Amino acid sequence: DTEVTQTPKHLVMGMTNKKSLKCEQHMGHRAMYWYKQKAKKPPELMFVYSYEKLSINESVPSRFSPECPNSSLLNLHLHALQPEDSALYLCASSHSPARGRQNTEAFFGQGTRLTVV
Amino acid sequence: KQEVTQIPAALSVPEGENLVLNCSFTDSAIYNLQWFRQDPGKGLTSLLLIQSSQREQTSGRLNASLDKSSGRSTLYIAASQPGDSATYLCAVRPLGTSNTGKLIFGQGTTLQVKP
Repeated sequence: DTEVTQTPKHLVMGMTNKKSLKCEQHMGHRAMYWYKQKAKKPPELMFVYSYEKLSINESVPSRFSPECPNSSLLNLHLHALQPEDSALYLCASSHSPARGRQNTEAFFGQGTRLTVV
Repeated sequence: KQEVTQIPAALSVPEGENLVLNCSFTDSAIYNLQWFRQDPGKGLTSLLLIQSSQREQTSGRLNASLDKSSGRSTLYIAASQPGDSATYLCAVRPLGTSNTGKLIFGQGTTLQVKP
């Protein structure tokens, strides 16, 4: 099973709302990622968790708050977003390169299409 | 700073043609390179992963090569089919990020295979 499951698939939220995106994998991967993708652009890294600890925050605004409650789950909490935050949000997982792991093939979910109104 | 470039940005071919997609990167200090496929509005599907010590990988009609010293990778698609129409992205994992798995993506090549 190489599946990364993201929910919801679509989300429309107002600028004062609080919502969460969820991501789940059961491949035993200990690295999980959030990417943001705008139309006709490549994915841009937002956050990396390695062994449930935040290892990279690519200077993402605090209105995006990641959480990794266990090795299979990754959440992205959203609050007070702006219309320019509308995008496809992608979750990915891989074996963590930490501790010398060689095969770090990344697997992506189908994404959450977020629209901020 | 690592930069990844994919040429061409778009490609249209008739069904049955063999084709090559190109990916170049500016810093040869990479851990591995991965090719993905993305259908419109969908997530990324992993096609092939090439470790820095490998020269090529094959999966079905796909063959990816890696020349790390020259900073180049190619994705060869044999006997193209309309179902191959998608955007193809290459991504490198630079050395120095060995504890994070960070990927740096190219801009992608959008392929259209006409019946």
